[in-house]
Amino acid sequence: KNEVEQSPQNLTAQEGEFITINCSYSVGISALHWLQQHPGGGIVSLFMLSSGKKKHGRLIATINIQEKHSSLHITASHPRDSAVYICAVTDSGNTPLVFGKGTRLSVIA
Amino acid sequence: GAVVSQHPSRVICKSGTSVKIECRSLDFQATTMFWYRQFPKQSLMLMATSNEGSKATYEQGVEKDKFLINHASLTLSTLTVTSAHPEDSSFYICSASPPRDPLAKTQYFGPGTRLLVL
Repeated sequence: KNEVEQSPQNLTAQEGEFITINCSYSVGISALHWLQQHPGGGIVSLFMLSSGKKKHGRLIATINIQEKHSSLHITASHPRDSAVYICAVTDSGNTPLVFGKGTRLSVIA
Repeated sequence: GAVVSQHPSRVICKSGTSVKIECRSLDFQATTMFWYRQFPKQSLMLMATSNEGSKATYEQGVEKDKFLINHASLTLSTLTVTSAHPEDSSFYICSASPPRDPLAKTQYFGPGTRLLVL
């Protein structure tokens, strides 16, 4: 079974800072998700990656399949980015997702 | 892309009542759906695998008589929390993938349902 580790667990940043959240997994995968969860809210999918890099607005996600590692970057962070960011992996469309514990991000104005 | 919906998004109920949560695949058929649960400050964990037309498969430690799963059609799976107690308060999420898509590398998941049992 895959084990997913995220770091850091908690992160506080000043508005405008560049933020990196890391995710490592133990077994080869077919896809990795980055998710965002606001307090008391539902889950929003930010990215799904199989290789390389994706960018959406101020968010960038990268994955290194050989190293079993992915990073989520937030440029020019803003207080509205404050949320829990969760990494999840799977090895096919027919097997369940394995989730990391999440990284709680607080961006202070 | 494929879309999965959940209803309701939030529910508050009294202890002892039953609550039904729906998971729908909106633009594809899913023979298999997965249900997950998240406790405070913990990661989402698989509860059960829902199979269309057959019994669900539950993970160790999940009571099948308490968490009833019905996957009666290829686009709908329901999770019923029976005789809910405050300790059942949690965030529940489902996921699914198109079964006949050979390129399906992963699943798509609903936004989740937050259950609060008073």
